[in-house]
Amino acid sequence: QKEVEQNSGPLSVPEGAIASLNCTYSDRGSQSFFWYRQYSGKSPELIMFIYSNGDKEDGRFTAQLNKASQYVSLLIRDSQPSDSATYLCAVNTNTNAGKSTFGDGTTLTVKP
Amino acid sequence: DVKVTQSSRYLVKRTGEKVFLECVQDMDHENMFWYRQDPGLGLRLIYFSYDVKMKEKGDIPEGYSVSREKKERFSLILESASTNQTSMYLCASSQPGGMSASGYFGPGTRLTVT
Repeated sequence: QKEVEQNSGPLSVPEGAIASLNCTYSDRGSQSFFWYRQYSGKSPELIMFIYSNGDKEDGRFTAQLNKASQYVSLLIRDSQPSDSATYLCAVNTNTNAGKSTFGDGTTLTVKP
Repeated sequence: DVKVTQSSRYLVKRTGEKVFLECVQDMDHENMFWYRQDPGLGLRLIYFSYDVKMKEKGDIPEGYSVSREKKERFSLILESASTNQTSMYLCASSQPGGMSASGYFGPGTRLTVT
C-alpha cells in the first residue's frame, strides 16, 4: 500500500461545477497536509494546507481533513478552465521535519 | 516573495559526464530537497538536507550525491550521467517542523542524457 494515495484520474468536470479531489494516507502519525497544483511543464505550487480536522476554506478552494478516517480532500467550487492541472496531495509527520510524502497526483480537466 | 531558483531550465548532457544542478533559496530555510519527477512515477525524493554540511538519503539516492556548503545553496551531482537519469529535477526548500510544507519548489531542470 502506498503511503499517500490519490483518486485515480483523470477527472473531468464542466466549467462552474465542483471538482472533488481525494487523498488517503497510511501513517496515523501524520500531522499536516498539503495540496499542490502543478500545471503541465511547471513545478508544483502550494495552494492549501490543513492541520486540524474539519474544513478550511480559501476562496474557491476548501480542504477537508478527517484524521480518524485518514482522509483529506480538496474541493474546488465554480471550477474554471484555468484550474486544469495536476493536483498533488502531500503529508508530513511531526518527526520528519518538513519532509513530505507525495501522492502521485490527480489530473483535473475543466471543460468550458 | 518566496524564491527558489535553479541554475538551468533545460540541460543536455552525454552519458558518463559529471553533471551539477544548482539550487538557491532566499528564504533562509533550514531544509532543502532534491526530487525527480517522471511520468507515472510521481515525485521521488533523491536527497535532503536539514542543515549546512548535513545530508540524508531519500528514496532513490543511487547515482547521485549532494553538497550543501552554504545554507542557501544545495547542489545535486550526477557522478556519471546515464540515460535513465533523464528526468525533471525539482529543488524545494522549507522550514523545519512537521507543520512545514516541503515546500516551495524551484522551476525545475529538465535534464536529458544522451
